[in-house]
Amino acid sequence: EAGVAQSPRYKIIEKRQSVAFWCNPISGHATLYWYQQILGQGPKLLIQFQNNGVVDDSQLPKDRFSAERLKGVDSTLKIQPAKLEDSAVYLCASSSHQRGAGETQYFGPGTRLLVL
Amino acid sequence: AQSVAQPEDQVNVAEGNPLTVKCTYSVSGNPYLFWYVQYPNRGLQFLLKYITGDNLVKGSYGFEAEFNKSQTSFHLKKPSALVSDSALYFCAVRSKGYGQNFVFGPGTRLSVLP
Repeated sequence: EAGVAQSPRYKIIEKRQSVAFWCNPISGHATLYWYQQILGQGPKLLIQFQNNGVVDDSQLPKDRFSAERLKGVDSTLKIQPAKLEDSAVYLCASSSHQRGAGETQYFGPGTRLLVL
Repeated sequence: AQSVAQPEDQVNVAEGNPLTVKCTYSVSGNPYLFWYVQYPNRGLQFLLKYITGDNLVKGSYGFEAEFNKSQTSFHLKKPSALVSDSALYFCAVRSKGYGQNFVFGPGTRLSVLP
């Protein structure tokens, strides 16, 4: 079974530029998550999708961050414009939701973003 | 609100010795509890979880964890540490209530010394 795929793996941009990250979840997984992991901290949930609908985006900085999952499979996370404090690893995870909240999340390798 | 504490930033243990990585949590209602491991430049890998039933949970790579409801703890353990176990370990909690999401602890760096 293929894991969660993410691209790019690394990105360096200047502040005020825009950037987009892509995620392809494990086949058949209805639930998709985006996390931000700042160096030295645990991952923080940004947004959760159930199929193509948003379940929770309460911690997403909506003035600059946006995410979509149009067909209920792949997802894109965008930052526009980027700030220095957005430098972090962006992790995508997916779960099958068969057991609801007890279902295991499986993580991709992450995209490391550096904003200069 | 849900929260997770990992009181030790760093744990050092000699190879072959038992290891413990501590986790305490706060959640309203009954929790789901998870342990993940992160190697350098890699995503998080699932180790084990507690959903219900037996308080002692066995997971990947010889790791196990014990759910202690009275102490609100879920410590990760392994009887004999390997150098290859050196990594960053994260505890996570999720309330069984609808709409509750994962909250991760800050992580504990485990170093197993040869």
